[in-house]
Amino acid sequence: DIVMTQSPDSLAVSLGERATINCRSSQSVLRSSNNRNSLAWYQQKPGQPPKLLIYWASTRESGVPDRFSGGGSGTDFTLTISSLQAADVAVYYCQQYYSTPRTFGGGTKVQIK
Amino acid sequence: QVQLVQSGAEVKKPGASVKVSCKTSGYTFTSYDINWVRQATGQGLEWMGWMNPNSGNTGIAQKFQGRVTMTRNTSISTAYMELSSLRSEDTAVYYCAKGVPPTSWGQGTLVTVSS
Repeated sequence: DIVMTQSPDSLAVSLGERATINCRSSQSVLRSSNNRNSLAWYQQKPGQPPKLLIYWASTRESGVPDRFSGGGSGTDFTLTISSLQAADVAVYYCQQYYSTPRTFGGGTKVQIK
Repeated sequence: QVQLVQSGAEVKKPGASVKVSCKTSGYTFTSYDINWVRQATGQGLEWMGWMNPNSGNTGIAQKFQGRVTMTRNTSISTAYMELSSLRSEDTAVYYCAKGVPPTSWGQGTLVTVSS
């Protein structure tokens, strides 16, 4: 199984400042067939299901604000919120869909400082 | 619009089984995998498995093999996940989700296992 490790577990950022979340996979999730990384990011607010933000490591889902961006390749990935808004307070998860089981990271809680 | 509507909360005794339904609409049911993911209270997301609604083929995480069955009824665009031999550690919210990676999720079904 591919193990997904997120860091930090939580972070507090001032409104308008940048937030960066890291995700590392225990093996590469770069798919040779299309040269894309099978890595997604989700946002989950209390009492709600997760919401897909980013797929293929850096492609923003339709309707997701452009302050959210994803980067990285192979085994190391980042989710960046360029200017934190109050609405961004949530838990963020990465997930690999390169192979089954399609494992999730442990989550990163983002709060306002 | 795409919708996945799950069945209501369940309370079960240890050793029993639970079957959660996921009724879909707004897209072609047989064109996208259905994933099942669970989340214990205050915990992270745990992927349980997937089903191809067209073929009925499934892939179950090893942890759940032998206890989880995923089925579907294409005539009513509904997927089902049955978990047997329930124990207290299975108390969680269970989600169905469409596609890989999942772009749309059900609202979740709380399954409580308690004697």
